[in-house]
Amino acid sequence: SQQGEEDPQALSIQEGENATMNCSYKTSINNLQWYRQNSGRGLVHLILIRSNEREKHSGRLRVTLDTSKKSSSLLITASRAADTASYFCATGATQGGSEKLVFGKGTKLTVNP
Amino acid sequence: NAGVMQNPRHLVRRRGQEARLRCSPMKGHSHVYWYRQLPEEGLKFMVYLQKENIIDESGMPKERFSAEFPKEGPSILRIQQVVRGDSAAYFCASSRSMSANGANVLTFGAGSRLTVL
Repeated sequence: SQQGEEDPQALSIQEGENATMNCSYKTSINNLQWYRQNSGRGLVHLILIRSNEREKHSGRLRVTLDTSKKSSSLLITASRAADTASYFCATGATQGGSEKLVFGKGTKLTVNP
Repeated sequence: NAGVMQNPRHLVRRRGQEARLRCSPMKGHSHVYWYRQLPEEGLKFMVYLQKENIIDESGMPKERFSAEFPKEGPSILRIQQVVRGDSAAYFCASSRSMSANGANVLTFGAGSRLTVL
């Protein structure tokens, strides 16, 4: 299975600190995406990094991808209480002519004011 | 642009009844995906559909579950003879046609929460 696995499962930090979440996967991928889920809501796409990219930025988000180690990290800088949510990585790979996204179990981030 | 619309948001069924969950994809999106999420878990892929076609149903249980995406109207996920273990949040997502390099970004609905008594 190519399922991504996030680490840690839960993370609690103070407002203003940086939050780092990691994702490991098992097989070759086309891309890796990070999504955010607020409690009781649907997932929202944050950022996509392709297999030939090593780093990508979007606002306070920074994503890295190491295909040799089959791992990715999501860094949220200068965290805010509103960043409290679960964060999921999703690996995209072509299977049977279509691309399927497989999600990990997520990291639950709590940012304390 | 109303986004991905799912209904009902909450559904309560007794064991043995049927559950029907509906999903209208985002305007301009022709690909629909269904995922299931158990409490404190990630999303498990169930099925991927295009209009009138099931493309990948490798995540669907072999019995009691079916999905369709008709030419007109929403996509439907149908669960027959529900059991307590079917209690979960069911999320629908949609996307545009695949880009040339295969990147597929999903837009999710708010989910339908099924409770089986």
